[in-house]
Amino acid sequence: LAKTTQPISMDSYEGQEVNITCSHNNIATNDYITWYQQFPSQGPRFIIQGYKTKVTNEVASLFIPADRKSSTLSLPRVSLSDTAVYYCLVANYGQNFVFGPGTRLSVLP
Amino acid sequence: DGGITQSPKYLFRKEGQNVTLSCEQNLNHDAMYWYRQDPGQGLRLIYYSQIVNDFQKGDIAEGYSVSREKKESFPLTVTSAQKNPTAFYLCASTPAGGDTEAFFGQGTRLTVV
Repeated sequence: LAKTTQPISMDSYEGQEVNITCSHNNIATNDYITWYQQFPSQGPRFIIQGYKTKVTNEVASLFIPADRKSSTLSLPRVSLSDTAVYYCLVANYGQNFVFGPGTRLSVLP
Repeated sequence: DGGITQSPKYLFRKEGQNVTLSCEQNLNHDAMYWYRQDPGQGLRLIYYSQIVNDFQKGDIAEGYSVSREKKESFPLTVTSAQKNPTAFYLCASTPAGGDTEAFFGQGTRLTVV
């Protein structure tokens, strides 16, 4: 099971773009990269998922280089409500999902 | 509405008592998971089940037990053998297939006094 490494915390200001990078050097061929967001006392919520190159949805973008050993979650123009913990997971169906400590993002006014 | 439901939201129990946390999903998902989260920490996997009548231990299974008699239900029992059971418990489910989007319940906060 691929292990991931993310920054423990990040600070940003409202309106800025935030990029959170996740390292996963041992990613397997059939692994997907998935990001989740968690607010206090709530269950994590799916943000975005990708396999390679770039994926974009209404919330975020996910950039994955050709070697797939890292990925970057990009949140455009963050607001105070984006203050949360963000988790990067690397797995495929049938594996037990292992969550790391995540990145605690604080958005300041 | 489809979703995954955990109950109760808050649970208080006396030390030494077993307690069962409920997790139900109507998403027709094959796999279900139980996680524990301590304050300021990430999620740690307790048990998971990929099909009915089958489940595997996660990283911290000691002191916990589960059953998967129905596809939609995956209850977790916190036994008296669990040394420090006070925590936030999260249940999740995923569909079959190569992608891994997990749907989480809202959690149960268990306090043992």
